Amino acid sequence: DTAVSQTPKYLVTQMGNDKSIKCEQNLGHDTMYWYKQDSKKFLKIMFSYNNKELIINETVPNRFSPKSPDKAHLNLHINSLELGDSAVYFCASSLLSGEAFFGQGTRLTVV
Amino acid sequence: DAKTTQPPSMDCAEGRAANLPCNHSTISGNEYVYWYRQIHSQGPQYIIHGLKNNETNEMASLIITEDRKSSTLILPHATLRDTAVYYCIVRVNAGNNRKLIWGLGTSLAVNP
Repeated sequence: DTAVSQTPKYLVTQMGNDKSIKCEQNLGHDTMYWYKQDSKKFLKIMFSYNNKELIINETVPNRFSPKSPDKAHLNLHINSLELGDSAVYFCASSLLSGEAFFGQGTRLTVV
Repeated sequence: DAKTTQPPSMDCAEGRAANLPCNHSTISGNEYVYWYRQIHSQGPQYIIHGLKNNETNEMASLIITEDRKSSTLILPHATLRDTAVYYCIVRVNAGNNRKLIWGLGTSLAVNP
């Protein structure tokens, strides 16, 4: 029983394409997150949703658009992919004031 | 910007205690200290957190100094499977927002 699952695990795509990463959690949490981990292993929060409402929106290009259809899902859509978008993207969930549980990551490679 | 500083790497012998230090000298009174670890190619895993008091769970102990400017994560009997990057993180509160501000962590190598 995977608590936080994200798909796909690997994504290789060309510059300029549009792609989506999906995330689902079965923990009953009310808050979900997207993080980006760059090549230097630095983890940076991108977005956070609480009860489907956007509560954290860091300085991220507007090519990145999160969508939360319900509390258990937070998808990330990326338009016009660039080389610099290559990274590992992690989805996570938590109760608002609790510890976060992370998915296994999506390794995005833009060529 | 990270609010914590950690040594970039440490070694520990299998079966011995691993003591991982962290400085967070600018921490505010209502900000928690969290520890996560990331085993190669996996998602980060929660270990423990605390505010003022020392904490212990089945994975580790967290010792926070009285002035809260530093803390130490203790793995009492390190195993090879504890080899990972350990992140000391301050959870920042801003209204209803709570953000984990991550640094670069300490890469712990547990050696046989």
